[in-house]
Amino acid sequence: DAKTTQPTSMDCAEGRAANLPCNHSTISGNEYVYWYRQIHSQGPQYIIHGLKNNETNEMASLIITEDRKSSTLILPHATLRDTAVYYCIVRVNWGKFQFGAGTQVVVTP
Amino acid sequence: DTGVSQNPRHKITKRGQNVTFRCDPISEHNRLYWYRQTLGQGPEFLTYFQNEAQLEKSRLLSDRFSAERPKGSFSTLEIQRTEQGDSAMYLCASSPSAAGGLREQYFGPGTRLTVT
Repeated sequence: DAKTTQPTSMDCAEGRAANLPCNHSTISGNEYVYWYRQIHSQGPQYIIHGLKNNETNEMASLIITEDRKSSTLILPHATLRDTAVYYCIVRVNWGKFQFGAGTQVVVTP
Repeated sequence: DTGVSQNPRHKITKRGQNVTFRCDPISEHNRLYWYRQTLGQGPEFLTYFQNEAQLEKSRLLSDRFSAERPKGSFSTLEIQRTEQGDSAMYLCASSPSAAGGLREQYFGPGTRLTVT
């Protein structure tokens, strides 16, 4: 599975959009981009995934560049409850996830 | 609540003791995964079941570790002769299989193991 690179941490003001970048320059054609988050002392929570088209659900939007070498997770209106570690993962459509260290997002009032 | 459940939530044990954790996946999810997470790191894959068959094991899963899923429903993870380095959060996840295999994994709350 391709390796991903994410910033270690970022801050976001409550009510503003949070844009979380992820680089996956070695992604292959059959690998999907997944985003999970982990609130302190809880198990990871699925957010969204995509292959090459942009995706949106009730939690977030996923923007994947045309060359698929990077993506951005957008939380449209961050709340204090969005404070968590966010993981960007690429994988083929089966099996295990390989998590990196993720981005610690802190939403401030 | 019909999510993934794990028991116990916390376990403190002395070095050298054996421990066993249980995971109950979401009903009818035929794939079950075990991960380990140490402080400040993302979860690391340990092993994976499709129904009762254990299909993949990580190199992290030493011979002191054994996982079972005897009836394709709940799973157990046993650690024999625990070491202090085994202290971690042990996470279980499940997913349904689907055409093409593309489904997200649903994680349980984890079992935090402390080896003293």
